[in-house]
Amino acid sequence: DTEVTQTPKHLVMGMTNKKSLKCEQHMGHRAMYWYKQKAKKPPELMFVYSYEKLSINESVPSRFSPECPNSSLLNLHLHALQPEDSALYLCASSQGQGFYNSPLHFGNGTRLTVT
Amino acid sequence: AQTVTQSQPEMSVQEAETVTLSCTYDTSESDYYLFWYKQPPSRQMILVIRQEAYKQQNATENRFSVNFQKAAKSFSLKISDSQLGDAAMYFCAYRSSGANSKLTFGKGITLSVRP
Repeated sequence: DTEVTQTPKHLVMGMTNKKSLKCEQHMGHRAMYWYKQKAKKPPELMFVYSYEKLSINESVPSRFSPECPNSSLLNLHLHALQPEDSALYLCASSQGQGFYNSPLHFGNGTRLTVT
Repeated sequence: AQTVTQSQPEMSVQEAETVTLSCTYDTSESDYYLFWYKQPPSRQMILVIRQEAYKQQNATENRFSVNFQKAAKSFSLKISDSQLGDAAMYFCAYRSSGANSKLTFGKGITLSVRP
């Protein structure tokens, strides 16, 4: 069983829709991450939250809007996406961003298709 | 900037045999961590093994072990007694000790296991 839970598992949305991806962890981790992964490629970092504050934004387009309501939850709000945004979106958490030896724990991802 | 290189895109191994996946990295740091992650078709990224740069002893986790050569900047993964469930994409990853350090992934290698 995964300790990082992502919903939904699959999402199909049109380019004018607004949707949200959700991520939850109960391991007491204080750093949470969003990654985007294309098929057969490594994950690409999008955002990092540390102690519920956005610490890294990898120049992600504004049509992706992250939110960290509390230390256990991480959301990714989607609006006006493009077909090239179709990908697997992975959430991860770790003990803390400064704990470089703390491995990231990943969720099962949300498979997003933009039509 | 740190880079992680996995030069072999695909490998195949016979069930019950041993296989070694190679990884090299480039860094000017002296303190860092190295990881191997496995991503099966179920999509979840699973930590296989990790190694701290300061530890000379190679890490071992059951059938998985690493050959860490710090001077050569090499970090290979050996899988013994390969099982069908080992079939997956494997990513080598590096993380430096800095406060805002990021996990840098290699391109990954697809491992297939022949019954």
